[in-house]
Amino acid sequence: AQKVTQAQTEISVVEKEDVTLDCVYETRDTTYYLFWYKQPPSGELVFLIRRNSFDEQNEISGRYSWNFQKSTSSFNFTITASQVVDSAVYFCALNTGGFKTIFGAGTRLFVKA
Amino acid sequence: EAQVTQNPRYLITVTGKKLTVTCSQNMNHEYMSWYRQDPGLGLRQIYYSMNVEVTDKGDVPEGYKVSRKEKRNFPLILESPSPNQTSLYFCASSLSGVFPPQETQYFGPGTRLLVL
Repeated sequence: AQKVTQAQTEISVVEKEDVTLDCVYETRDTTYYLFWYKQPPSGELVFLIRRNSFDEQNEISGRYSWNFQKSTSSFNFTITASQVVDSAVYFCALNTGGFKTIFGAGTRLFVKA
Repeated sequence: EAQVTQNPRYLITVTGKKLTVTCSQNMNHEYMSWYRQDPGLGLRQIYYSMNVEVTDKGDVPEGYKVSRKEKRNFPLILESPSPNQTSLYFCASSLSGVFPPQETQYFGPGTRLLVL
C-alpha cells in the first residue's frame, strides 16, 4: 500500500528563520514520483516541485530546497529565511504510476513577522 | 489563459437535494480528477478519468458520480448529498495520466460545499 505521512500538523516560526517540513512515504514500487504543493490562505493549490525516484539530487529554487533520500523514504522541504508570505498549508504527494496520487495530511506553516 | 474552472465556488445545500459541481479545462488535457480535502486528511481522490468515456474510482467514491462526455468537462454529481460530504472539492487535470507523468496536475480553485 502507498502512504504519505506528514507528521508535523502545524509549525510556527518567526520571519527569517529556516524551517523544514518533513515528508515520509511508503511504497513498494521502484518507480514513483513525489510532489510538493502549497495551499495559501486563498485556498488554491500551487505546484512546487516534482521529483522522480531515480533522481536523488537535491534541488534548490531560491529560498526553497528539497532533500530526497530513498534510504529513509523521505522527501523533506526546507524554506530558508522564511517570510510571512510563506504561511500556508504544504502538501506532499506520491504517485506510483497509474492514475492515482496519494496526498499527505498537510503541514500548516505560520510565519510570524 | 490555461486554467481549470469549477462552479460553483461555494454551495450550501440540504441533505438529499441532488447537486452537480462542474469542472472544465481549456488545455485539451486527457486526464481529469476530483479530490476532496478535509482537515487532518489532506486530499483524497474521489474519481478520475483517463479520457472521454473512461472513468474509474479513486479512494473515496461512495456517494459520488462522475461523467466524461466531453474532453474538457468532468462534472461531479452528488445524487443525495449527506452532511459527511461537507468538504472542499478540487478538480484537477493533466495532459496525460499515463506514467511517467511528463507534467503535473493543474488544480481548479476549489468548491466549498456545506450540506445541512
